[in-house]
Amino acid sequence: GEDVEQSLFLSVREGDSSVINCTYTDSSSTYLYWYKQEPGAGLQLLTYIFSNMDMKQDQRLTVLLNKKDKHLSLRIADTQTGDSAIYFCAESPLSGTYKYIFGTGTRLKVLA
Amino acid sequence: EAGVAQSPRYKIIEKRQSVAFWCNPISGHATLYWYQQILGQGPKLLIQFQNNGVVDDSQLPKDRFSAERLKGVDSTLKIQPAKLEDSAVYLCASSLERGANYEQYFGPGTRLTVT
Repeated sequence: GEDVEQSLFLSVREGDSSVINCTYTDSSSTYLYWYKQEPGAGLQLLTYIFSNMDMKQDQRLTVLLNKKDKHLSLRIADTQTGDSAIYFCAESPLSGTYKYIFGTGTRLKVLA
Repeated sequence: EAGVAQSPRYKIIEKRQSVAFWCNPISGHATLYWYQQILGQGPKLLIQFQNNGVVDDSQLPKDRFSAERLKGVDSTLKIQPAKLEDSAVYLCASSLERGANYEQYFGPGTRLTVT
């Protein structure tokens, strides 16, 4: 099927690390993405990883990819209250149309 | 660089009425997408245009939804007649070209409530 799965909620204290997990479905996906959605706003691309990589680091963000298990994670170091948002992972299968398939989203709440 | 513009931002209609949404993509972007995001879910692609041609409309409920991008720039999405289950946020996105390595830029969305 086309269900990209994420846990629904995550709550962390300010300054701690957050880890958001995602299980995707299509092993042909060459790019995997993390998007952030703040209330009333559209989606903003945070980072992406190419499928031949295991890890990508971008400032406070670290993406880990386990292709064997089709598991993707996003780690946010030193989480701030401004990081409170919904985070979506997305895959882009090699189906010819390059459409994105989004996960259900994880709502991250950062407690001061 | 201006982002993806959408209007209206909010719309409330009764079931069986019609509604239209408008999207103006980033200048020069050939690919335009319409997504439906139901509350508590991730966005789901409805239709994808490459210039003024349809690339993928496999998940568009064609009995009530239609979309066009006549001049290959801005686009409209129409629902006629609306059903209660059409209540959602309709997101427009654009990318420079088709391809997984081209970032999709999203507009703020139109929140539709069908009563």
